[in-house]
Amino acid sequence: EAQVTQNPRYLITVTGKKLTVTCSQNMNHEYMSWYRQDPGLGLRQIYYSMNVEVTDKGDVPEGYKVSRKEKRNFPLILESPSPNQTSLYFCASSSTSSLGVGELFFGEGSRLTVL
Amino acid sequence: GQNIDQPTEMTATEGAIVQINCTYQTSGFNGLFWYQQHAGEAPTFLSYNVLDGLEEKGRFSSFLSRSKGYSYLLLKELQMKDSASYLCAVRDLGSNYQLIWGAGTKLIIKP
Repeated sequence: EAQVTQNPRYLITVTGKKLTVTCSQNMNHEYMSWYRQDPGLGLRQIYYSMNVEVTDKGDVPEGYKVSRKEKRNFPLILESPSPNQTSLYFCASSSTSSLGVGELFFGEGSRLTVL
Repeated sequence: GQNIDQPTEMTATEGAIVQINCTYQTSGFNGLFWYQQHAGEAPTFLSYNVLDGLEEKGRFSSFLSRSKGYSYLLLKELQMKDSASYLCAVRDLGSNYQLIWGAGTKLIIKP
């Protein structure tokens, strides 16, 4: 089954404790992206990757890191989480064409609370 | 600047038709997507338009006018399960082919 898998789905942590949210896709997609979603603000892109070893900042990259060492995996790292990073996080992947990003396939989401 | 506008919330009746509008201003339009998102769940793809006109897919249709910077999503024969948020996203050349997202329209279906 084609899917994007995120872990953990739910996490409560404390300020400053490093955490990683994993994301894996089995569709051989070149493109992967991380979003956060907050009430009234819609989806905001954190980082994206057009292919292995190629990553770029989105609209809200501060406080986050990513890596793309393998095509299927795109982990999101919060080195020192703060309460303003409490949010619902989505990983997404897509094939690409000459027109750019195609239909996005989203993971189920990771709800993060930073105390 | 880049901007996507959608109504925040709409209400419709089961069995009726509803049209959700999306207007956009981007530096390099290169396609428009509609996604559906049920509360607490991930967005799922509904439709894609890159040329002017109507794309029909079952009960859902999406229309695009590039000259007007305008799209709409038309939902027919509304069902209670259509209660969700509907997200408009524009692929933008000026943003390295990334998607620019609207804040979404929450659609409430009443019996």
